[in-house]
Amino acid sequence: DAGVIQSPRHEVTEMGQEVTLRCKPISGHNSLFWYRQTMMRGLELLIYFNNNVPIDDSGMPEDRFSAKMPNASFSTLKIQPSEPRDSAVYFCASSPHSGFQETQYFGPGTRLLVL
Amino acid sequence: TQLLEQSPQFLSIQEGENLTVYCNSSSVFSSLQWYRQEPGEGPVLLVTVVTGGEVKKLKRLTFQFGDARKDSSLHITAAQPGDTGLYLCAGVDSGGYQKVTFGIGTKLQVIP
Repeated sequence: DAGVIQSPRHEVTEMGQEVTLRCKPISGHNSLFWYRQTMMRGLELLIYFNNNVPIDDSGMPEDRFSAKMPNASFSTLKIQPSEPRDSAVYFCASSPHSGFQETQYFGPGTRLLVL
Repeated sequence: TQLLEQSPQFLSIQEGENLTVYCNSSSVFSSLQWYRQEPGEGPVLLVTVVTGGEVKKLKRLTFQFGDARKDSSLHITAAQPGDTGLYLCAGVDSGGYQKVTFGIGTKLQVIP
């Protein structure tokens, strides 16, 4: 079975450019999570969707970040405009049920470098 | 936001040695999860502990949840090079929709 799929795996862009990260959750899972991982702050939750509806976006750093989940099999995380401090590894995870108690299955991540 | 502190942050040991890593918080969690993350990959769940004082074993790995559900430890017996990776603990909140908070992690290197 395919796990969580993320694209691109690596992204290098210049400050001010728009960046779009994509995620395909595991089929049948109804929760989706976006995380950001850095050496200094570790793994931080950005946003949590349940049944395609954003439940908690309190971790989204600022208005430059936005996330959508138009259907159960696709989600995007967009940064516009990007800044060097956005450089990090961004993970998408999905879970078969609501909430965080259930196992989250993480994708391989997108390594973003903003110059 | 509930904070989780993991120690040590880095650990380099020889194959065959034993080790323990710790996860501590001043807050109570409904459960605590341990993940292992290998370079270039996402974290993979190893275990979830739910009951205060609970001990779970996964082959050479032993996980313990503190009696007060504020801390946890992971003990590895006879470490192998395949145990190398970043070990993350994650606390699940007691209330609301039970949001999870991750620690920074312990980076373990097992030298053959």
